Amino acid sequence: GENVEQHPSTLSVQEGDSAVIKCTYSDSASNYFPWYKQELGKGPQLIIDIRSNVGEKKDQRIAVTLNKTAKHFSLHITETQPEDSAVYFCAASILEGSTLGRLYFGRGTQLTVWP
Amino acid sequence: SQTIHQWPATLVQPVGSPLSLECTVEGTSNPNLYWYRQAAGRGLQLLFYSVGIGQISSEVPQNLSASRPQDRQFILSSKKLLLSDSGFYLCAWSPSGDEQYFGPGTRLTVT
Repeated sequence: GENVEQHPSTLSVQEGDSAVIKCTYSDSASNYFPWYKQELGKGPQLIIDIRSNVGEKKDQRIAVTLNKTAKHFSLHITETQPEDSAVYFCAASILEGSTLGRLYFGRGTQLTVWP
Repeated sequence: SQTIHQWPATLVQPVGSPLSLECTVEGTSNPNLYWYRQAAGRGLQLLFYSVGIGQISSEVPQNLSASRPQDRQFILSSKKLLLSDSGFYLCAWSPSGDEQYFGPGTRLTVT
């Protein structure tokens, strides 16, 4: 099956700085890559995703880049704020028409933004 | 809009007791449904998934079972809980097999 590795496991940044989280995947057939944010005691929230037909996607302060050749993708958060503090998960999936897309998750990154 | 509910929010159960966790989704039809467990240390482990009523697939053989009695209802059960069943249980749904949306979770402590 797919294997997703995520780095770093913890990340501390000053408010206003940028944060980058990186993931690699093993199965070149993976074509869907979501990112989730999980606050303490809550369920993960889908914050952005990218499909293999594009190399970059942006949504305000959040962007995701994908390098299919190298099989890695990254989450970029600019102008970080204390409310960005949470655990972030990357995932990879192979989507085939209407069949089930099974997500393979990384182990998460604890991001702390210091005011 | 779609919403996903899980209950109870927290549960403390003794070893050997039964378990029933419920998940319901509103505002959609024929969703894919998933049960995950998250132990301390963050990792998300897929337990069961379902693409339709009565269709359940298990990812990891264990002390748990799942059922889907209605289109938008997913239930996680156990006949006898083990200490190792403690964790944060998350239900998720997907409209078409790609984007997954998680519920608020149930914190289960087995004593």
